[in-house]
Amino acid sequence: DSGVTQTPKHLITATGQRVTLRCSPRSGDLSVYWYQQSLDQGLQFLIQYYNGEERAKGNILERFSAQQFPDLHSELNLSSLELGDSALYFCASSAAQGLSYGYTFGSGTRLTVV
Amino acid sequence: QQQVKQSPQSLIVQKGGISIINCAYENTAFDYFPWYQQFPGKGPALLIAIRPDVSEKKEGRFTISFNKSAKQFSLHIMDSQPGDSATYFCAASKDRDYKLSFGAGTTVTVRA
Repeated sequence: DSGVTQTPKHLITATGQRVTLRCSPRSGDLSVYWYQQSLDQGLQFLIQYYNGEERAKGNILERFSAQQFPDLHSELNLSSLELGDSALYFCASSAAQGLSYGYTFGSGTRLTVV
Repeated sequence: QQQVKQSPQSLIVQKGGISIINCAYENTAFDYFPWYQQFPGKGPALLIAIRPDVSEKKEGRFTISFNKSAKQFSLHIMDSQPGDSATYFCAASKDRDYKLSFGAGTTVTVRA
């Protein structure tokens, strides 16, 4: 167990729907990162939050949004879902900003859009 | 576009053999190069990492070789074991940056 908890593990939904993925970072970690892993694009960075504030954005679609709450858990919201959004979504956390502080991934949420 | 190019896509090695995975990058601002190991159904887990001020780093049976002038780095898995069968990703980052740029991954299969 990496200490980063992601729920749900699996999600099947229809096109056009909206889903919320949840991530609880390791105890004490202030930074949360979201990644998308698909067969054709590999692991792509989506967005990072640090202590409740957005700090970096990657290849995140406008249909996607995220937030980090005061208890440091984070949610990734995906709306107007398309077939191409089917992927594994990973959350990672680190103690602070910068990768030398360690960077731990959760087990992911597998999203299937039908 | 892929900022880190990884090869091969897959490899098969006999137990006790050496697995070699290569990565190349373009961004000379990268200064942190980790390797991650991913088993099916799990998230990537940090295996070993190197910074460009050293040319080699070894941890157990895993060694990273780094060639700054060629902008290449590689992972060597010595005495490969069936338990090493996994997908390996190289990655790169500027340490003050917040994101990792990953290679496409290499699936390693170790035959007993």
